[in-house]
Amino acid sequence: DAGVIQSPRHEVTEMGQEVTLRCKPISGHDYLFWYRQTMMRGLELLIYFNNNVPIDDSGMPEDRFSAKMPNASFSTLKIQPSEPRDSAVYFCASSLRTSGGVGSYEQYFGPGTRLTVT
Amino acid sequence: AQTVTQSQPEMSVQEAETVTLSCTYDTSESNYYLFWYKQPPSRQMILVIRQEAYKQQNATENRFSVNFQKAAKSFSLKISDSQLGDTAMYFCAFMTPAYGQNFVFGPGTRLSVLP
Repeated sequence: DAGVIQSPRHEVTEMGQEVTLRCKPISGHDYLFWYRQTMMRGLELLIYFNNNVPIDDSGMPEDRFSAKMPNASFSTLKIQPSEPRDSAVYFCASSLRTSGGVGSYEQYFGPGTRLTVT
Repeated sequence: AQTVTQSQPEMSVQEAETVTLSCTYDTSESNYYLFWYKQPPSRQMILVIRQEAYKQQNATENRFSVNFQKAAKSFSLKISDSQLGDTAMYFCAFMTPAYGQNFVFGPGTRLSVLP
């Protein structure tokens, strides 16, 4: 398995621009998570999906952030407009909960996207 | 609120020696899962080991083992025969199915393995 794939690996943009981060989860996984990592705040959960449906977006910082999962193999995290304080590493992770409700719960992380907003 | 605390921001160990990283958590739930993740300089988050709260036996994965003390809400990670490749940030994480699939991560411990 190729693991969780994220693109781009690095993104540098100017304040006010739109940024789109992309994620392909592990095939067959039914949960997808978006995290943000900064030195000041550590790892923060932004939003997660189950079977393509957003379940908890309470971690999304503000309306400038939006996430979609149009199908089981693709998700995007969009920031519009971007601000310097959005500079961070953004991780996508996926996990599988087997049928019957018993699952291992481990989350498998992608390599992350380092976003720099100048 | 559920919290995870890692009281050691930084640690170092000589190659081939053993080191223990501390983690404590706070929850009122009885069903939960605990994890240790490693983040090397490449920044990739790698699962090291997991522990189910209902299991009394401590989990082990090769050179990695945990000391799970449920009453004390403690979940320490022991790394035996430390190798240079173990140099990384180590994050303790906690998850309660009753609260959804959210992981709560600790602030991390930066471990340096010295030659």
